[in-house]
Formats: sequence, structure tokens, C-alpha cells
Amino acid sequence: DIQMTQSPSTLSASVGDRVTITCRANQSIYTWLAWYQQKPGKAPKFLIYKASSLESGVPSRFSGSGSGTEFTLSISSLQPDDFATYYCQQYNDYPWTFGQGTKVEIK
Amino acid sequence: EVQLMESGGGLVQPGGSLRLSCAASGFTFSNYAMTWVRQAPGKGFDWVSTISGRGDITNYADSVKGRFTISRDSSNNTLYLQMNSLRAEDTAKYYCAKGPDHYDHGYYDHWGQGTLVTVSS
Repeated sequence: DIQMTQSPSTLSASVGDRVTITCRANQSIYTWLAWYQQKPGKAPKFLIYKASSLESGVPSRFSGSGSGTEFTLSISSLQPDDFATYYCQQYNDYPWTFGQGTKVEIK
Repeated sequence: EVQLMESGGGLVQPGGSLRLSCAASGFTFSNYAMTWVRQAPGKGFDWVSTISGRGDITNYADSVKGRFTISRDSSNNTLYLQMNSLRAEDTAKYYCAKGPDHYDHGYYDHWGQGTLVTVSS
């Protein structure tokens, strides 16, 4: 199975900050990577596919980049609604696997 | 508006069975692959199983292969997960999710709220 590792596990930031979350795969997944946002008790929200393609309706302050084994999710100016846990997921090879999550909390 | 509503979770003894359902609305159900993903308490996500839009292609995680069966009924826009021989490690919230088209591309653009399955004696 492809292992996905996110860093940091927790990130403390303030409204207006630029934040970056890293996701690493233990083998190349090309650009077959998605990002999701989850708030406590809520359904995950789909943000990005193919590493950098923004899902329709997702604010443009979100962006994704990377290829191969290293990827990033960036939020250009953190908004109150963005405090949540973020997960990356590879879909290069079955079984699809997820990172362990990065919690973005208020500083 | 796409809506996915899971049901059927609950408390079951080890070795028991449950059938989860996911009622879909707001899109042409038969045109989209559907999947089940689970999340153990306080943990990340584990992909469980996916079925193609036509229902002719299914895939399973090794951990559930031979015990779980995914199916769909396009006449009532419902996705199912039959879970047999349940184990404590199957305890999780189970989410159904919709793919971007009939084929399993591997990512999911809408998710339900989930249904909790607890396997315990």
C-alpha cells in the first residue's frame, strides 16, 4: 500500500496568515492526489484533485502543488471558516490511501 | 443539490452482520461511481469499497474483501454495504461518497454525514 504522511500534524495560525501543509508519498503517485477539509462532526469537503486542480466553488485562497512524492496545500490568507482538519489522499493505485490529517487551529 | 444520507449503523457483536444504506438525491445516480470510506474514532480515513456507475466493477480493501459486499440499486437511488463477520477493528463511522463520473477515478466530490458502526460484545 502507498503510505501518505502529512506534516505538521497540528498547525497553529491566525486569521490572515498564509499556511502550508505538506503531504508525502512513499512512492511516486505522479499528480494523482486529492485534498479534503473536515470539520468536527461534519462530512468531508472536497477541495482539490490532480494535485492542483481546484474543485468548483472552492475559494481561490486554496491552492495545491507538487508531483511525484511531495505535495503541498496552501491557504493564502487564512479565514475563520478554514480552521479544520485537512487530509490528502492518493489515487494512483489501489487501495486508495489517506494521510493522517493536519489540524489547523487558532493561534 | 447533491445529498447523500447514510443509515443502518449501530451496535453489533463480533461475528455479526449489518447492512448500511446510502440514499442519494440531486444527481443521476446511475451515472456515477460510489464509494464507502470509513473513519475509526479519532483516526484518519480508510477507503473500503467502490462500485462503478453501472455496478459492473467493484473493488475492495484487502481488510474487508470476502466479508463486505458493495451494491447499488438505481431504481431507488441507493448504495449498500453488506457487512458480515464483523470485527472490533471495523468499528468506525462509515461515509458514502460520490465520484466525479461513472468510473472510479479515485477521488470523491460529495460525501454524506456518515453512520456509526460499533462492533463490541
